[in-house]
Amino acid sequence: DADVTQTPRNRITKTGKRIMLECSQTKGHDRMYWYRQDPGLGLRLIYYSFDVKDINKGEISDGYSVSRQAQAKFSLSLESAIPNQTALYFCATSDWAGGPDTQYFGPGTRLTVL
Amino acid sequence: GESVGLHLPTLSVQEGDNSIINCAYSNSASDYFIWYKQESGKGPQFIIDIRSNMDKRQGQRVTVLLNKTVKHLSLQIAATQPGDSAVYFCAENIESNQGGKLIFGQGTELSVKP
Repeated sequence: DADVTQTPRNRITKTGKRIMLECSQTKGHDRMYWYRQDPGLGLRLIYYSFDVKDINKGEISDGYSVSRQAQAKFSLSLESAIPNQTALYFCATSDWAGGPDTQYFGPGTRLTVL
Repeated sequence: GESVGLHLPTLSVQEGDNSIINCAYSNSASDYFIWYKQESGKGPQFIIDIRSNMDKRQGQRVTVLLNKTVKHLSLQIAATQPGDSAVYFCAENIESNQGGKLIFGQGTELSVKP
């Protein structure tokens, strides 16, 4: 979805390096999410934010941190990258107003940690 | 614990045939379910959702069936086309007073043979 963009799209880094993945959205949604995708494991939630002042851990937050700089921006950081963080990372947004909380995904960032 | 899983990791069908992708879930409190389609190199895209108080919902060429008795849902694609080739994920939404939290299944890769 072009309304949700992620940068970079691909990144190769070395063990121990600090990495930041950026997500921007023009949908005007309050809620933003970071997931990682590994083969055979589907999507797993890392962190989520329901508004600019709200940050919540997902099921696999260890080794990651996030920053919600504005309604439209949500970044994910790996403070000291390790090889098992090699994965596809997706940002998503949603606009819950009661009822279904459908999430819209960005194109993904492929991260390789050597 | 909570889990959403798919019965088959891969499915190969002939163009024009109908496809059925299955999903099992474990959380009785899930209030609705979503199917996403993920094409190669792209993020998941919303296809269709169904509330827990429904048994069936139809979209354009797609139908989702929900059987709460056995905690099973399926996605049926009519007259499957090459453009339907993708990985399909089911997700269950667990509601809270702050909105929903999605738990994704592992995904089924659908391959359409010409």
